[in-house]
Amino acid sequence: ETGVTQTPRHLVMGMTNKKSLKCEQHLGHNAMYWYKQSAKKPLELMFVYNFKEQTENNSVPSRFSPECPNSSHLFLHLHTLQPEDSALYLCASSPTSTGANTGELFFGEGSRLTVL
Amino acid sequence: GENVEQHPSTLSVQEGDSAVIKCTYSDSASNYFPWYKQELGKRPQLIIDIRSNVGEKKDQRIAVTLNKTAKHFSLHITETQPEDSAVYFCAAREDDKIIFGKGTRLHILP
Repeated sequence: ETGVTQTPRHLVMGMTNKKSLKCEQHLGHNAMYWYKQSAKKPLELMFVYNFKEQTENNSVPSRFSPECPNSSHLFLHLHTLQPEDSALYLCASSPTSTGANTGELFFGEGSRLTVL
Repeated sequence: GENVEQHPSTLSVQEGDSAVIKCTYSDSASNYFPWYKQELGKRPQLIIDIRSNVGEKKDQRIAVTLNKTAKHFSLHITETQPEDSAVYFCAAREDDKIIFGKGTRLHILP
């Protein structure tokens, strides 16, 4: 257990559905991340939040909408997805990278998403 | 933005031999280079990392080297064992962004 919990672990949804992925970290970290992992592009950065503020959006389509209400929780809202969005979505957290702190990423187990 | 290239995509080595995985990065501002190991069905986990002010770091059978001038860094695993079979990812960090290479699937042959 790394202290980063993702729910649900598996999700199947139709292209017209609206669903959300949830991530929670108990490590006291300030930064949280969403990565997409698929066969074509392993570990592709999607979003970065630092102290609840979005600091990176890696050209992600608007059908993916992140939300970070506080430093411990991160959501990924999904709407009108495409079959090619099927992938493993990994959440991660890290302490802010400053000084001696390297900002190591701690990953959750991931949410396996299938879009029909 | 940062771009990380990783080679090879697949590597098979005899048990007991050494394995080397190489990565290059594009952004000279990147200052931290971690390596993650992902076993089948599991999350990526950090195995070793190196900062830009260090040229080499070793932890038992694993070592990482960094050449800042050439913008490349390598992972070396010596005396490979069956449990080393996994996918290995290199990464480069600049501020909040950690960008990963495409991964190397390492097979340890009996």
